[in-house]
Amino acid sequence: AQTVTQSQPEMSVQEAETVTLSCTYDTSESDYYLFWYKQPPSRQMILVIRQEAYKQQNATENRFSVNFQKAAKSFSLKISDSQLGDAAMYFCAYRSAYLLGNYGQNFVFGPGTRLSVLP
Amino acid sequence: ETGVTQTPRHLVMGMTNKKSLKCEQHLGHNAMYWYKQSAKKPLELMFVYSLEERVENNSVPSRFSPECPNSSHLFLHLHTLQPEDSALYLCASSQEARGTGANVLTFGAGSRLTVL
Repeated sequence: AQTVTQSQPEMSVQEAETVTLSCTYDTSESDYYLFWYKQPPSRQMILVIRQEAYKQQNATENRFSVNFQKAAKSFSLKISDSQLGDAAMYFCAYRSAYLLGNYGQNFVFGPGTRLSVLP
Repeated sequence: ETGVTQTPRHLVMGMTNKKSLKCEQHLGHNAMYWYKQSAKKPLELMFVYSLEERVENNSVPSRFSPECPNSSHLFLHLHTLQPEDSALYLCASSQEARGTGANVLTFGAGSRLTVL
């Protein structure tokens, strides 16, 4: 079974600075998807970024980018020019690329990292 | 309304009460999910419904009963809950295609449940 680990329960960053959140995962599969979700105090989980494992190029969405190291099974999230609105819980998630049988499942979430942004 | 809507946002109930959580998705998705989010624990998948099958997690106690009358609505019926069931219950939906895990989950804002 796949597992997702986020080793930093809490982090803080100064406004306008850059912060990197760590995520590692364990899998024997070669093809899969990785996600970062953000959960602000409003509680609604929002997709931040998605990475296909077969793509070597790191995904980027505005100020958010990832460093995907497939061999190391590492998927870190970099937030540039941090803003107060970035304060939230961030969850890393894994999903198999090929779902056999009971499709609609198999999202595996990490325990989350709480990010504080200091003014 | 757009996205995934959950009601109520907050619910306080006694251990002998019967209540229901409601989820509605306006995205035309074909799969819906219930997740439980407790403090200091990873998200726990409780139930999945798709057009073709309902998937249950066998570790979910029978005091939680899901209902999916159509592809847009999902309920979680609650009865004789325990204080440890207090948590944030998140509904999500996705558009699934057999054989691929490409699609993302879209979440609702959750229902905060407190069992006294």
